Amino acid sequence: GAGVSQSPSNKVTEKGKDVELRCDPISGHTALYWYRQSLGQGLEFLIYFQGNSAPDKSGLPSDRFSAERTGGSVSTLTIQRTQQEDSAVYLCASSLGFRGGAYEQYFGPGTRLTVT
Amino acid sequence: QKEVEQNSGPLSVPEGAIASLNCTYSDRGSQSFFWYRQYSGKSPELIMSIYSNGDKEDGRFTAQLNKASQYVSLLIRDSQPSDSATYLCAVGVQGAQKLVFGQGTRLTINP
Repeated sequence: GAGVSQSPSNKVTEKGKDVELRCDPISGHTALYWYRQSLGQGLEFLIYFQGNSAPDKSGLPSDRFSAERTGGSVSTLTIQRTQQEDSAVYLCASSLGFRGGAYEQYFGPGTRLTVT
Repeated sequence: QKEVEQNSGPLSVPEGAIASLNCTYSDRGSQSFFWYRQYSGKSPELIMSIYSNGDKEDGRFTAQLNKASQYVSLLIRDSQPSDSATYLCAVGVQGAQKLVFGQGTRLTINP
């Protein structure tokens, strides 16, 4: 079946502009995650959504970052007033949901954001 | 202390040999453990999950978990050049639905 999809695959923006990144999870997956991976670095957790519960925003680096998930499916990560340090690959993942542990997470192809 | 630690490598292994990748974690209550493979310029791909102490085998891959020692490993038998990638260890956060990732080990299989 279809995997996690993300758009755009690449985004170049000028410093100070706002950007929106989209994620479409695997059908039937109730949990959705956003991560950031800077060049040569590990994965940095940003935010996750589980069903209708309040999202865990504990990883968002500043109030310029926000995310929403509409209808329990598609999610949008918004970065306002972008800075050069926001340049990274933004990865979305989805999973079946909580069962007392952590279900396997499956990643999308990512969006490479470059802030000039 | 990092929550999930991996040797960053690079780890160089001859083709056909066994590659051994190691990971330690700090949260003693963690119950779920995963290995991801990430090729350069690509996103992480789940290759193994393990939840109980002992070994779990899937083809050429074997995951080993020792909760008492807070240690998880991945063995790759009959290593192939196509196994050359960065391998990420991920550990489930107790009571939450999050994973903490290690920095990854870069593996190179030499023909």
